Amino acid sequence: DVKVTQSSRYLVKRTGEKVFLECVQDMDHENMFWYRQDPGLGLRLIYFSYDVKMKEKGDIPEGYSVSREKKERFSLILESASTNQTSMYLCASCPGHSYEQYFGPGTRLTVT
Amino acid sequence: QKEVEQDPGPLSVPEGAIVSLNCTYSNSAFQYFMWYRQYSRKGPELLMYTYSSGNKEDGRFTAQVDKSSKYISLFIRDSQPSDSATYLCAMAYNNNDMRFGAGTRLTVKP
Repeated sequence: DVKVTQSSRYLVKRTGEKVFLECVQDMDHENMFWYRQDPGLGLRLIYFSYDVKMKEKGDIPEGYSVSREKKERFSLILESASTNQTSMYLCASCPGHSYEQYFGPGTRLTVT
Repeated sequence: QKEVEQDPGPLSVPEGAIVSLNCTYSNSAFQYFMWYRQYSRKGPELLMYTYSSGNKEDGRFTAQVDKSSKYISLFIRDSQPSDSATYLCAMAYNNNDMRFGAGTRLTVKP
């Protein structure tokens, strides 16, 4: 079974803090994704990566950056957390030419 | 107008009912259509995947795509309390650009 794990299930941070969200997949997938999920808005793509050290902006990259130093690990960084970044963050991975994305359990981030 | 529209519900049905979940979309370039199921406090999991138009059946689940109407459906037969979840439609024209609906929350009452 594909397993995607995320470093934290729940996280509370203060405005202005630098926040790191980590995602690890164990199936050697080329593609990895970071989404945020908000009520009424569905999943919105923040960034994705199709290879080590490669990254592409999604629909809402402002205020976020990413890092992919190893194939199995994709990190999302909030450089200076703001209250409007309070959300559920979901990581996903999929093989190179597949549409079947496997999701992690999510991190619910609250910025106060 | 959103690219993908999905009625958020909530939808409540009795056990054994047939459930119909729907999405409409505006981008005719979409070729790949998916349904994800998301249980509370979990990540989404892929339920059904269809390429282009037509029907696909998997057990109690049937996915339909009508590209001429830009409309996709998921039918659940003999619904069970364990089907209670949020159902997300998703569609794509390449595997790096998937668009999700907002999700429909379904409750199946025993």
